[in-house]
Amino acid sequence: DGGITQSPKYLFRKEGQNVTLSCEQNLNHDAMYWYRQDPGQGLRLIYYSQIVNDFQKGDIAEGYSVSREKKESFPLTVTSAQKNPTAFYLCASSRQGLGQPQHFGDGTRLSIL
Amino acid sequence: QKEVEQNSGPLSVPEGAIASLNCTYSDRGSQSFFWYRQYSGKSPELIMFIYSNGDKEDGRFTAQLNKASQYVSLLIRDSQPSDSATYLCAVPYGNNRLAFGKGNQVVVIP
Repeated sequence: DGGITQSPKYLFRKEGQNVTLSCEQNLNHDAMYWYRQDPGQGLRLIYYSQIVNDFQKGDIAEGYSVSREKKESFPLTVTSAQKNPTAFYLCASSRQGLGQPQHFGDGTRLSIL
Repeated sequence: QKEVEQNSGPLSVPEGAIASLNCTYSDRGSQSFFWYRQYSGKSPELIMFIYSNGDKEDGRFTAQLNKASQYVSLLIRDSQPSDSATYLCAVPYGNNRLAFGKGNQVVVIP
């Protein structure tokens, strides 16, 4: 079955630690996205990539980094510079072109130890 | 960035009734609109999309577009307890980006 796989489902970060969230898709989508969702809040875009080896900052990129070395993979690193990382992180992908829907993985819940 | 507003608070509906949700958008040129359903603790799931050429019905769900007033509605007929969720409206903008509303929570009371 085609889909988007995020791992791990739950992640705990210690102070001063970088952690990396995995996102893999087998939908052959060109575009991939990372969102953050806080309780009772909407989705906020962290980074997005429309093509391999290229990515753009979203609305809240500070304290995060990404890479897009393969079409299928778009990992997100939450660095120690992100002072409030506790949130639900969602990866999505879509076909290229205006008006394409995005499809989401199951998410990773990140908490601070 | 485009503005997408979903302003109403939690909506409680009796089982079997119609739930009606509205979403207003700022860009008059918007051509397509998406509705996602998000159960508590889960990720959003695309349930409906509508383009500027008219309304759309899919099972118990109907999406209606009012371009003059710049809002899109989602109607859930014969509401079931399994419809209890948060519904997110999304509008494309820029190149491949979506602007999401904050969502409307629906609670179906058995």
